[in-house]
Amino acid sequence: GQNIDQPTEMTATEGAIVQINCTYQTSGFNGLFWYQQHAGEAPTFLSYNVLDGLEEKGRFSSFLSRSKGYSYLLLKELQMKDSASYLCAVSDSNYQLIWGAGTKLIIKP
Amino acid sequence: ETGVTQTPRHLVMGMTNKKSLKCEQHLGHNAMYWYKQSAKKPLELMFVYSLEERVENNSVPSRFSPECPNSSHLFLHLHTLQPEDSALYLCASSPRTSGDYNEQFFGPGTRLTVL
Repeated sequence: GQNIDQPTEMTATEGAIVQINCTYQTSGFNGLFWYQQHAGEAPTFLSYNVLDGLEEKGRFSSFLSRSKGYSYLLLKELQMKDSASYLCAVSDSNYQLIWGAGTKLIIKP
Repeated sequence: ETGVTQTPRHLVMGMTNKKSLKCEQHLGHNAMYWYKQSAKKPLELMFVYSLEERVENNSVPSRFSPECPNSSHLFLHLHTLQPEDSALYLCASSPRTSGDYNEQFFGPGTRLTVL
């Protein structure tokens, strides 16, 4: 079967750095997405990786290793507004998105 | 209006009621999706439409009936639902149903409670 694993919850301090991991086992791979979802709101796109390596976008970076079935989202200089759930999703061989259950990130002052 | 909109935002219905959820996208996309999001569970894909044709139905019970009259509008008709159908229902759109960099844009969702 297809499976996406990510931690259920993480806590970090304002101003610090946090890394959210995602491992996947899917039938085929056509890219990996990270989305942010604040409570009661729509998921919003953060990043997309289809080749190995690091993609940097401001305070957020996303890394992919296809051989290891592994990705992480790195958030730097954490702000209180970064408190949200972070969803990892893999596009499989049929371009259907397979989703993880999300990681709830709690930022403390 | 911009992006993807959904109405209503909240809905409470009895098991014998019939209601409809509406989604509209203003992005010129050709693909639209219905997802179910339950607490602490992955997003579950329900239906996919491409240019008004249903291309995916992930074994969804018949009490959920989608309708796509044009590429900008998507409905989810609900009847004789069960309490376990209570969840957040998200609509999304994307430029197409396949290919790389095919980002999905989500609406704010309808929070459905079935009594």
